[in-house]
Amino acid sequence: KAGVTQTPRYLIKTRGQQVTLSCSPISGHRSVSWYQQTPGQGLQFLFEYFSETQRNKGNFPGRFSGRQFSNSRSEMNVSTLELGDSALYLCASSLGLDTGELFFGEGSRLTVL
Amino acid sequence: TQLLEQSPQFLSIQEGENLTVYCNSSSVFSSLQWYRQEPGEGPVLLVTVVTGGEVKKLKRLTFQFGDARKDSSLHITAAQPGDTGLYLCAPRSGGTSYGKLTFGQGTILTVHP
Repeated sequence: KAGVTQTPRYLIKTRGQQVTLSCSPISGHRSVSWYQQTPGQGLQFLFEYFSETQRNKGNFPGRFSGRQFSNSRSEMNVSTLELGDSALYLCASSLGLDTGELFFGEGSRLTVL
Repeated sequence: TQLLEQSPQFLSIQEGENLTVYCNSSSVFSSLQWYRQEPGEGPVLLVTVVTGGEVKKLKRLTFQFGDARKDSSLHITAAQPGDTGLYLCAPRSGGTSYGKLTFGQGTILTVHP
């Protein structure tokens, strides 16, 4: 069974640019969640999509957005990049149950210069 | 707002030693998950505890959920270099959190051969 696939694995951008990250969940999983991981703030929840609808949202500015397609694949976008957006962005897929396991991808490492 | 504390933040030990990691909160949880993240990887679920006072064993790892369901501990017996990683606790408060988890800051464990 293929795991969660995130692309690209690494990318470098400059301030003011925008970036789109992609996540392909495990087959059959309809929930995709996005997290930001930094040394200072740890692992923080961005948003969750279930059946193409945003179901939960974290405390991030509107520059962070996402969407989910009918095949459950998800993308997140960060516009007007700031230095502080440098982080590991992790995607997690699950069946969408309240006590369920999250299956994480290896992440997309974003560096903003 | 739920306050979640993990301790210690860093732990560096020799192979064969025992250790305990703690996860404490001001709130009552409906369940709690422990994840381990190795360098370059996403977090992987180790266990979910649901019942107050519950103890679960996974080979050399013992997980305990506090009677009041506000705290949890992870004990590793005879640690091995393969146990090295970031240990994260993630409580659930029930309801509709689904793919939204609030993670502790984590404990970085290094086991030296």
